[in-house]
Amino acid sequence: QVQLQESGPGLVKPSETLSLTCTVSGSSISSYYWSWIRQPPGKGLEWIGYIYYSGTTNYNRSLRSRVTISLDTSKNQFSLKLRSVTAADTAVYYCAREVAYWGQGTLVTVSS
Amino acid sequence: QSVLTQPPSASGTPGQRVTISCSGSSSNIGSNTVNWYQQLPGTAPKLLIYSINQRPSGVPDRFSGSKSGTSASLAISGLQSEDEADYYCAAWDDTLNAPGWVFGGGTKVTVL
Repeated sequence: QVQLQESGPGLVKPSETLSLTCTVSGSSISSYYWSWIRQPPGKGLEWIGYIYYSGTTNYNRSLRSRVTISLDTSKNQFSLKLRSVTAADTAVYYCAREVAYWGQGTLVTVSS
Repeated sequence: QSVLTQPPSASGTPGQRVTISCSGSSSNIGSNTVNWYQQLPGTAPKLLIYSINQRPSGVPDRFSGSKSGTSASLAISGLQSEDEADYYCAAWDDTLNAPGWVFGGGTKVTVL
C-alpha cells in the first residue's frame, strides 16, 4: 500500500522560500514519477510539477521560474522548493505518485 | 481560470443518475487520457477513474467515465448519500513548451 506524507513549515513569510518534503512508504522512489499539486483554500487543483526517478523534472509554466523539485533516494523522499512566495501561494500542498496516489496534504499559509 | 471546464454544481436524489461534463481542447482531452478524482470534505482527492474509463481497485462500478472528442464525462449511477463530494477532471496537456497536467475547476455534487 503506497503512502505519502507531506511535512514542512505551515507558515512562511512573504518573499521567502516555501520548502516541503514528501516521505514515501510502500513504494520505491526509484521508479515512477513524483508530483506536487496544490489547492488554494476553497478553490480548485493546480499541478506544480514532477520529477522522474531519473531526476528529470517538468514544471508548470506559470511557476517554472520559482520552483525546484528534487529527489533523495537514500531517504525515499522528494522535496519542493518555491521561492519568493506571496499570499497567492497560500494553499494545501499535496505530493503524489504520478497523479494516482496522493498524500493527505499540508496547509501552507504565506503571511508576515 | 481552469484549463478544463466543468459545471460548478450538480445534484440528484438517491438512486438517480448524475453526469458531470469536462470540456477541454485538442491539446489535452482531445489527444490524451482523462482522470477523475473525488474529494470528500476535508480530505485529499482520490483517484476515481483513470485512462478515461478504468476504475482503480475498490471503486464501485456505479462510477463510469467516457470521452468524445475534446470532452469527457463522469457518470454516477444509483446516486448515494456518500457520493456527496467535489469531483475534478484532469488531463495531460501537450501544449508546446508547456506540457503538463491540467485540471477542471471542480463540480460539487449534492445529494438532495
